[in-house]
Amino acid sequence: NAGVTQTPKFQVLKTGQSMTLQCAQDMNHNSMYWYRQDPGMGLRLIYYSASEGTTDKGEVPNGYNVSRLNKREFSLRLESAAPSQTSVYFCASSVPTSGGGETQYFGPGTRLLVL
Amino acid sequence: AQSVAQPEDQVNVAEGNPLTVKCTYSVSGNPYLFWYVQYPNRGLQFLLKYITGDNLVKGSYGFEAEFNKSQTSFHLKKPSALVSDSALYFCAVRDIQAYKYIFGTGTRLKVLA
Repeated sequence: NAGVTQTPKFQVLKTGQSMTLQCAQDMNHNSMYWYRQDPGMGLRLIYYSASEGTTDKGEVPNGYNVSRLNKREFSLRLESAAPSQTSVYFCASSVPTSGGGETQYFGPGTRLLVL
Repeated sequence: AQSVAQPEDQVNVAEGNPLTVKCTYSVSGNPYLFWYVQYPNRGLQFLLKYITGDNLVKGSYGFEAEFNKSQTSFHLKKPSALVSDSALYFCAVRDIQAYKYIFGTGTRLKVLA
């Protein structure tokens, strides 16, 4: 199993350009997430999807859109990139575990630089 | 509102010594608590979690965490630190009402040889 994969690994954009970050998981997980990681701020949830066909806003959704294309794939789109969106983006998926709760599995991240 | 605090940006410990990375939380109701570790240029990896039951939770790589409800803390511990434990550690709490995780700001652990 590849686990959670993300493409691209690194991207440079100019202000106003658009792009889509791709995420896929091969673990048959229902729930998927997009986070951004900024220095001194930890991980902040952008959007999540509890199951195929559903998406919900997280803590910092402005400037982003998501698509849960199918159970495997959850993409994050920046329609008009801004320098404030320079960050490292992580995709994650999760599965319920015995005893309650869920365990999240993270992808390797996408480093985005917006000039 | 639910929140997680990691009061130390960095913790330094000598190899072989015990280590503690602190985490306190604020939630309504019973918490689901997690610890994750991040190595350079990698995604986060799950270490351990507390859902219910025994307050001392054991996880991967010899780590354990103690849940203290009265102090609303969930400190990560290891009896004997290794240089390879040097990484960024995140505490997280899950909102039981929704599929939302809230992460702390992270603590950088540096184990000195």
